[in-house]
Amino acid sequence: EAGVTQFPSHSVIEKGQTVTLRCDPISGHDNLYWYRRVMGKEIKFLLHFVKESKQDESGMPNNRFLAERTGGTYSTLKVQPAELEDSGVYFCASSQASLPPRRASYNEQFFGPGTRLTVL
Amino acid sequence: AQSVSQHNHHVILSEAASLELGCNYSYGGTVNLFWYVQYPGQHLQLLLKYFSGDPLVKGIKGFEAEFIKSKFSFNLRKPSVQWSDTAEYFCAVIPFGNAGKSTFGDGTTLTVKP
Repeated sequence: EAGVTQFPSHSVIEKGQTVTLRCDPISGHDNLYWYRRVMGKEIKFLLHFVKESKQDESGMPNNRFLAERTGGTYSTLKVQPAELEDSGVYFCASSQASLPPRRASYNEQFFGPGTRLTVL
Repeated sequence: AQSVSQHNHHVILSEAASLELGCNYSYGGTVNLFWYVQYPGQHLQLLLKYFSGDPLVKGIKGFEAEFIKSKFSFNLRKPSVQWSDTAEYFCAVIPFGNAGKSTFGDGTTLTVKP
């Protein structure tokens, strides 16, 4: 079974340019998460999709970031225009549909390899 | 908001030494706790998790972690490390019912010298 894939693996762009990151979750996984790790700090949550709907986007830094998940399959994260502080590693993760609330409300998240974004 | 603190940013050990990586979290309610590992050039992968029950959980590759609720801690241990354990380790918390939104610590880089 294929894991979570992300494209590109690396991206180097200049300040002010636009970059689009892509994540393909494991087939059949309803939940898709974006995380970011900046400068060796903690991995921070950006947003969570359930199928094509944004469940939680409380971690999105500002309106220069736009995430979509058309048809509930792959997701894109666009940064426009990119700033220096956007540099970091962007991780995507996916998990199966949530369990009933009376049981553990968590299914294991499977992470992609990440996209390393460098903004010059 | 919850936070996760990992005590050591970089740990260097010799093979066969014992390992303990500290993790403390701040959240008053029920939580699910995780340790992830990222080997050089590889994906982040789940090492072990705690949901409920026995506070001592065992994971892959001989790792274990103990949940101490009174101390808000979830320390990772391994009795005897190997060179292949060289990796970065992340502690993470998901509050119960929070639909998988994880809060991670800063990570601890472990270097095991052969």
